[in-house]
Amino acid sequence: DTAVSQTPKYLVTQMGNDKSIKCEQNLGHDTMYWYKQDSKKFLKIMFSYNNKELIINETVPNRFSPKSPDKAHLNLHINSLELGDSAVYFCASSHGGLSTDTQYFGPGTRLTVL
Amino acid sequence: GENVEQHPSTLSVQEGDSAVIKCTYSDSASNYFPWYKQELGKGPQLIIDIRSNVGEKKDQRIAVTLNKTAKHFSLHITETQPEDSAVYFCAASINDMRFGAGTRLTVKP
Repeated sequence: DTAVSQTPKYLVTQMGNDKSIKCEQNLGHDTMYWYKQDSKKFLKIMFSYNNKELIINETVPNRFSPKSPDKAHLNLHINSLELGDSAVYFCASSHGGLSTDTQYFGPGTRLTVL
Repeated sequence: GENVEQHPSTLSVQEGDSAVIKCTYSDSASNYFPWYKQELGKGPQLIIDIRSNVGEKKDQRIAVTLNKTAKHFSLHITETQPEDSAVYFCAASINDMRFGAGTRLTVKP
């Protein structure tokens, strides 16, 4: 009965590879997000999706692309992985897309690029 | 855009003491201020939040205060317990959520 789930929990890969991280929420929320947490624990928003529309896209390289097959899923695809992509990636969801809506986070995916 | 600063970066207290973590924000239009607790190997979990029309909110041992004039808000944990040990993040939200850099709280038994 996990609210926001991510797979895989750990991902180790070589530079240049393409990988995906999956996220699912069973809360019936309308908006989903992806965050990156670097080695210093700093959390930064990457994307958010509301009703299949991208509403926030921070200064993230276009190697990163979010894909939402339906309202309950927001997957993160990363092409041509680089060393600097190593981080923990968190998915989150909220009921609406308002700035005052509480966000619920998944357990994270630790990506290591060798 | 919004800039959130959080202090201290690390905090160590004895079990039973109080802990206070402070955050400042730059955009006076920010209207939502959540606090998250992140335990090792887990995602951030909301512990308390406050909206800009409220000055203080309390939930058992946890309280948050907001001073809109000074643009700062604080987390107060009383009667700390070892299980309170974690990294705590403040955030301020206007169009999107901006997080502070985190405070690693250690509660010594």
